[in-house]
Amino acid sequence: EAQVTQNPRYLITVTGKKLTVTCSQNMNHEYMSWYRQDPGLGLRQIYYSMNVEVTDKGDVPEGYKVSRKEKRNFPLILESPSPNQTSLYFCASSLGLAVFTDTQYFGPGTRLTVL
Amino acid sequence: RKEVEQDPGPFNVPEGATVAFNCTYSNSASQSFFWYRQDCRKEPKLLMSVYSSGNEDGRFTAQLNRASQYISLLIRDSKLSDSATYLCVVSHGGNNNDMRFGAGTRLTVKP
Repeated sequence: EAQVTQNPRYLITVTGKKLTVTCSQNMNHEYMSWYRQDPGLGLRQIYYSMNVEVTDKGDVPEGYKVSRKEKRNFPLILESPSPNQTSLYFCASSLGLAVFTDTQYFGPGTRLTVL
Repeated sequence: RKEVEQDPGPFNVPEGATVAFNCTYSNSASQSFFWYRQDCRKEPKLLMSVYSSGNEDGRFTAQLNRASQYISLLIRDSKLSDSATYLCVVSHGGNNNDMRFGAGTRLTVKP
């Protein structure tokens, strides 16, 4: 089954404790991205990747890191999480960049709470 | 001012009702427009694209008014399964890396 998976789905952690949220897709998609969703704000892009070893900042990259060593995986790293990073995180992937022909498929989400 | 604004709702309607959602966007150079559906605690999924001439997909009709920078979604003959949050999404350059999401309008269809 074609899908985007994320792990963990739920995480409660404490300020400053490094964590990684994994994202994997099995559709051989070149484009992958991370979003956060907060009440009243909608989804905002954190980072995106056009292909292996090619990553770039989105609208809200502060406090996050990413890597794209393999095509299928795009982990999101929080080196020193803070309470303002409490949010619902979505990973997404698409074949390419064009919105009309390359629909983004979203993972199931990771609900992160930083105490 | 948010780039994409939607009435958050909630809209509570009976089964069979017709309901319309509106969305305004601030960047007049925006090129591509979409409606996504998001069920409670789930991921967003593309519902339909919005074309300049307006388009229909079954009970759903989307309209675009570039002059007023306004997008709408009309749902006819509402079903219980239509209950969800509807996200208005705008892309400036037609690329997946420049999409702007509205905060969503919540719809509850009641029996």
